[in-house]
Amino acid sequence: RKEVEQDPGPFNVPEGATVAFNCTYSNSASQSFFWYRQDCRKEPKLLMSVYSSGNEDGRFTAQLNRASQYISLLIRDSKLSDSATYLCVVNREGDTGFQKLVFGTGTRLLVSP
Amino acid sequence: NAGVTQTPKFRVLKTGQSMTLLCAQDMNHEYMYWYRQDPGMGLRLIHYSVGEGTTAKGEVPDGYNVSRLKKQNFLLGLESAAPSQTSVYFCASSYPLAVFSYEQYFGPGTRLTVT
Repeated sequence: RKEVEQDPGPFNVPEGATVAFNCTYSNSASQSFFWYRQDCRKEPKLLMSVYSSGNEDGRFTAQLNRASQYISLLIRDSKLSDSATYLCVVNREGDTGFQKLVFGTGTRLLVSP
Repeated sequence: NAGVTQTPKFRVLKTGQSMTLLCAQDMNHEYMYWYRQDPGMGLRLIHYSVGEGTTAKGEVPDGYNVSRLKKQNFLLGLESAAPSQTSVYFCASSYPLAVFSYEQYFGPGTRLTVT
């Protein structure tokens, strides 16, 4: 079982639609959670952190459910420019105490006119 | 302010050849990382460095070596390339990772093909 699992998609939605992605993680010791965005053939960039209380940044809302070990990302009023792959990321502490980031394989979103 | 840069952007190698990928950052970050990204696998950590002169192994270090002689540079070497090393390589940097500061800044990537 992968440490971070995501539906690869693609999710095809029209402009203006609301779309939601989920991600599950297996390490109950993980404390920090993130969504990164990766455009085609580009580098990943941090979209938003995910807090226990949930957080919102404009059209984007992230939620965390520690009991069920899943994270969600909701995008409202989708834009063409939202077309990208969304990576779910959690932290993991290694043997030496070093904090590493574990990346999911990503969920691809395609927004059409 | 260029952020994180990588050289080269593309490379084709024959099996058994060697090469070095260069990563440079101008954000004065302590931590630097090398990842590879393959279809269906997500980003996997190859090696990382928590400061000048220090390196450590990540998840998939076999076949790679690294050096961090200067704080701003992190080199990834392939001594004898294999087709399994065909991938997109990303370098990243960050401040020391802590509960409220986990953002990593990525370079544009190097697309490597080994034939």
